[in-house]
Amino acid sequence: TQLLEQSPQFLSIQEGENLTVYCNSSSVFSSLQWYRQEPGEGPVLLVTVVTGGEVKKLKRLTFQFGDARKDSSLHITAAQPGDTGLYLCAGKSNDYKLSFGAGTTVTVRA
Amino acid sequence: KAGVTQTPRYLIKTRGQQVTLSCSPISGHRSVSWYQQTPGQGLQFLFEYFSETQRNKGNFPGRFSGRQFSNSRSEMNVSTLELGDSALYLCASSLGLAGLNTGELFFGEGSRLTVL
Repeated sequence: TQLLEQSPQFLSIQEGENLTVYCNSSSVFSSLQWYRQEPGEGPVLLVTVVTGGEVKKLKRLTFQFGDARKDSSLHITAAQPGDTGLYLCAGKSNDYKLSFGAGTTVTVRA
Repeated sequence: KAGVTQTPRYLIKTRGQQVTLSCSPISGHRSVSWYQQTPGQGLQFLFEYFSETQRNKGNFPGRFSGRQFSNSRSEMNVSTLELGDSALYLCASSLGLAGLNTGELFFGEGSRLTVL
């Protein structure tokens, strides 16, 4: 059983469309991170959110941490083929453990 | 600055054999974490080593073991391989313990193990 549930599992969209990926849990996290993994490579950190309600923007990517620090979302505006990859959320709990979700596979078609 | 290096990148073993995977962290990083990645389960935490001591352990059987050397390099070993052990094994390094702060995990490219 995953501590962090990510949805959807797969997402395929056309270039220029918007998309949102969700990361939910019944547990509270002290911080939450989003990673992107491209085929044949290891995950790379995109962002860390710490404060409940926090919103961070990274160019076309917007990350939000829920007020209760149990959920997060990643929104991509005007997706490009270079955004294709596996998006993973990872939560750090108060007992100093890091848990990953199963990931959302995003495919952006040109 | 060199990244995290994992060897070998690919390997094929048969059931019952054992395998050793190696991970060299980024210079100066003292923590090494190991993960198993499969399509259905995502990233499953195996263990974390810091200063040659295992600090955290996931829910894997005793066939999975690891160690860390004084230069922070780490190895993991899987004995009596089973078909279900086929996976991508990822190593990640960080300055301090992975769960202690908002620090970043730096991942290697992984070792893809196929068990026949």
